[in-house]
Amino acid sequence: KQEVTQIPAALSVPEGENLVLNCSFTDSAIYNLQWFRQDPGKGLTSLLLIQSSQREQTSGRLNASLDKSSGRSTLYIAASQPGDSATYLCAALGDSNYQLIWGAGTKLIIKP
Amino acid sequence: KAGVTQTPRYLIKTRGQQVTLSCSPISGHRSVSWYQQTPGQGLQFLFEYFSETQRNKGNFPGRFSGRQFSNSRSEMNVSTLELGDSALYLCASSWAGGGQETQYFGPGTRLLVL
Repeated sequence: KQEVTQIPAALSVPEGENLVLNCSFTDSAIYNLQWFRQDPGKGLTSLLLIQSSQREQTSGRLNASLDKSSGRSTLYIAASQPGDSATYLCAALGDSNYQLIWGAGTKLIIKP
Repeated sequence: KAGVTQTPRYLIKTRGQQVTLSCSPISGHRSVSWYQQTPGQGLQFLFEYFSETQRNKGNFPGRFSGRQFSNSRSEMNVSTLELGDSALYLCASSWAGGGQETQYFGPGTRLLVL
């Protein structure tokens, strides 16, 4: 049974710093790995989707990597800004049941 | 292009009642997925509809059901509400679904069961 873990649960850093959010999964039989952000009172916004055959994806200041063999994905945020404050969730899509299994999220606070 | 809309945004019900939530996907999207988010269990997949057919289902009791109409709008129904059903219910739409592509989420419906 797939389990997705995100550590730390919360992170507070000063504006301008580069940071890394971690996501680990127990079953490497995934179709893709997805990163989302959730702002209070709002739904989720898809940030990056990495197919199982890919190693990384980039969008602006965001870079996500995937290492299936070790069961890990990281989300790198460069030059953090207060607007990056949100909860970041990762989710793994099983390659047989096509159901997203979600991590509990990392609550990120960027201090001005 | 309008985003995914969900109605109502907030709902208060009592135990034993039933509730229907609505989701209107982005125009042209044929897949609608539903998720439940609670502080204790986090986000969990409920089910996915594609072209009016349930294509995938998570591990929830039969009290949770859904349907999709020919215009791709979807509804989910929860019967005999329990306190534990209090949650944020999110729907997401995409072109082909199956979680294989970017999903676009609505703002959610927050359900409180008293």
